[in-house]
Amino acid sequence: DAKTTQPPSMDCAEGRAANLPCNHSTISGNEYVYWYRQIHSQGPQYIIHGLKNNETNEMASLIITEDRKSSTLILPHATLRDTAVYYCIVQRRNNNDMRFGAGTRLTVKP
Amino acid sequence: ETGVTQTPRHLVMGMTNKKSLKCEQHLGHNAMYWYKQSAKKPLELMFVYNFKEQTENNSVPSRFSPECPNSSHLFLHLHTLQPEDSALYLCASSLRLAGDDEQYFGPGTRLTVT
Repeated sequence: DAKTTQPPSMDCAEGRAANLPCNHSTISGNEYVYWYRQIHSQGPQYIIHGLKNNETNEMASLIITEDRKSSTLILPHATLRDTAVYYCIVQRRNNNDMRFGAGTRLTVKP
Repeated sequence: ETGVTQTPRHLVMGMTNKKSLKCEQHLGHNAMYWYKQSAKKPLELMFVYNFKEQTENNSVPSRFSPECPNSSHLFLHLHTLQPEDSALYLCASSLRLAGDDEQYFGPGTRLTVT
């Protein structure tokens, strides 16, 4: 599966949009981009995933570049409860072996 | 609440003990997973079960023994563990063993081996 590169940490002001980047330059055509987050000492929580098109749900938006080599997770109005480690993962269809990296530690500040 | 429960939430055991971790999902999913998360390390996939059959064992030492009696329950039997096995053990499930289904994680069992 493709490797991903994320910044180790980011800060965001409460109420502002948090934009978390992910680089996956070696992604292949049958690989999805998934985002999960892990709040301290809890299990990871699914946020969103996509293949080619941008996606939006009640939690976040996922913007995937046209060449699919990078993506951005957007939390439109970050709250203190969004403080967590955010993981970007690429995963092949018909393969549920998710490879978690170090992720980005997002800190939302008042 | 994700629909995946794990018990116990915390466990302290000696190196000669035998204990079991339990995971139960109430989501009607068919695939279940065990992950290990050590301090300062990414999550590592340990085992994958699909319709009760083990489909993946990521070179896990034999002192960890999984059991999946049905699609809703998953156990991890532990014996003669080492202190370096201290970690957060996470269970997850997904509807299918396929790349288009998200995984739902339980809260984890924090294991300390003394």
